[in-house]
This record gives sequence, structure tokens and C-alpha cells, in this order.
Amino acid sequence: DTGVSQNPRHKITKRGQNVTFRCDPISEHNRLYWYRQTLGQGPEFLTYFQNEAQLEKSRLLSDRFSAERPKGSFSTLEIQRTEQGDSAMYLCASSRGQGNEKLFFGSGTQLSVL
Amino acid sequence: GENVEQHPSTLSVQEGDSAVIKCTYSDSASNYFPWYKQELGKGPQLIIDIRSNVGEKKDQRIAVTLNKTAKHFSLHITETQPEDSAVYFCAASSNNDMRFGAGTRLTVKP
Repeated sequence: DTGVSQNPRHKITKRGQNVTFRCDPISEHNRLYWYRQTLGQGPEFLTYFQNEAQLEKSRLLSDRFSAERPKGSFSTLEIQRTEQGDSAMYLCASSRGQGNEKLFFGSGTQLSVL
Repeated sequence: GENVEQHPSTLSVQEGDSAVIKCTYSDSASNYFPWYKQELGKGPQLIIDIRSNVGEKKDQRIAVTLNKTAKHFSLHITETQPEDSAVYFCAASSNNDMRFGAGTRLTVKP
């Protein structure tokens, strides 16, 4: 159990550019979640996968955001045409997949859009 | 959808004192209530959790209580230590939808 790994840890980009983040969950965890966290707030749910299937997306996830988990292992979150309001910590979490269970979070990717 | 309110937003205690953080939730279908601790530059880490069929759970210096009728739950930390200083988040989950409170910044003064 090596924990949830996220890369990069920090990303600085200019407005209008595309960015992609990667998350490697704990091996054998079937569920993978993406959350967004802004300063002074709790994590806000964006989307989650059960294996390779994306089962739920929040209304926070605009059409500029897309997430994939092609082989049911690692996941990527892409933001197209970034805006300053996208600046936040993007957290990934994984769980065994039994529902209503503990989530194991990665250290997050801090995105700054200039 | 679920709405979780958490208070206080900041809490400062003297080392050795107790700290209490309270949360309320809105969705009566919520049945899983975890608490997470987040240190600077790190993701949230689970410290204790409770399910709706239990009213209280304790793990060493940490305890959580749940009142399903009133839809509130609390985190109690006894004999606080400087390393307990962090941001604590409560959460409520139903049907795989986990919602977090806004967090409490706990400072334990030596």
C-alpha cells in the first residue's frame, strides 16, 4: 500500500492554456474520486469512477473539465482553456468500492492560473 | 443534496485541554460520518469515522458522537498536543455522495 499518488504537486499556467493532472490510486481500489478544494473550504466533489466507468459528475464540472480512467487504474483530469477561477487544489481519493466507506486522499495538485 | 455545516471555523486551545468540533447535516439518508485531518501541503487523512447504527466511537484521545435525530455529530479530542494542530473536516455520506464541512482550524498552544 503505497498510498494515492498525484502528479504534478504544483502547476502554474497562463489563462487559456490546457492542463492535465494524473492520479494513481491505491492498487486494488476500485473507486477513484476527484475533488476540488479552495482556500478555507472543504473538498468539493467533482466526479468519481467505479473501475473505468465514470458514474457521477458534479454540476461543478463544466464542459471544460474532463476526467478519464481508461484501464480502471490511474486517472487523468484535464482542464481546457483554464480560467483564473480554476485556481485550486485538486485532490484525488480512492476507496475499495463498497460505498459509504473511507476515502484515501492523495496530497493534491495545486493549480495556479495567472 | 446533502449540506454539511461545521463550527467553529477556528479553535485555539491550550495544550492538555479538550477540543470539540460540531457538525450538522441535512440529508436524513446519510449514514456514514468520517472525520479528516489535513496538515499544510497534504491531503486530508481519515482519523475516525462512525456509522449511523452507532452513537459513539472512541479511539485513544479521539471520540466521535452522533445524534441521528438531531442530525448532528461531534469530534472530541482530549489531552490535546501541539501536533494536533491542523484543519479538521467532518463529512456526511449517503449513496456514495460524500459532502464535507468547511473545516475547523485547530491550534494547540504549548
